[in-house]
Amino acid sequence: DGGITQSPKYLFRKEGQNVTLSCEQNLNHDAMYWYRQDPGQGLRLIYYSQIVNDFQKGDIAEGYSVSREKKESFPLTVTSAQKNPTAFYLCASSISSRGSSNGPKHFGDGTRLSIL
Amino acid sequence: GENVEQHPSTLSVQEGDSAVIKCTYSDSASNYFPWYKQELGKGPQLIIDIRSNVGEKKDQRIAVTLNKTAKHFSLHITETQPEDSAVYFCAASIDRGKLIFGQGTELSVKP
Repeated sequence: DGGITQSPKYLFRKEGQNVTLSCEQNLNHDAMYWYRQDPGQGLRLIYYSQIVNDFQKGDIAEGYSVSREKKESFPLTVTSAQKNPTAFYLCASSISSRGSSNGPKHFGDGTRLSIL
Repeated sequence: GENVEQHPSTLSVQEGDSAVIKCTYSDSASNYFPWYKQELGKGPQLIIDIRSNVGEKKDQRIAVTLNKTAKHFSLHITETQPEDSAVYFCAASIDRGKLIFGQGTELSVKP
């Protein structure tokens, strides 16, 4: 079955470290997204990519970086500049954000990041 | 920018009853309104969506209504079942790549 795979499920970071969250999809979707979810809040967009080798900042991009070298992969790096990184991170995809689809249709099961 | 408010934050119903979750949005240019269901430890799942040129959409026990004049939209679940228990999120979009989410509603369906 096609879907989105996020790894690891749980991740711990020490102060001052960068960590990279993996997101892979085999749905042949053009668009991919990263969201952050905090308790009792909705999802907030960190970065999104409509096509390979292109990405745009979302509403809370500071302290994060991404790359989109392959269609199926959209890794997210949480840098030491992100002062409050503890959260649940969700990756998503859709056929095309410029086509008939609107926003993310498929989500991964998330990575929970905690600070040691 | 766009802001989406969702109510209630928690909702408890008896099995078989109906559940209604409401959202309001601030930007009248918003034209796409999806609803997601999130089970514990999982990512959200798109369950139904509506565009601004439609007032109502149904899919079996789930329906969404949109009132563009009042800038609010609602999710209706009829004949609720225990497996409907989850957190539900509404969202609104102007730019198809960027959704603004509501804060979520935790629905509990008691057998």
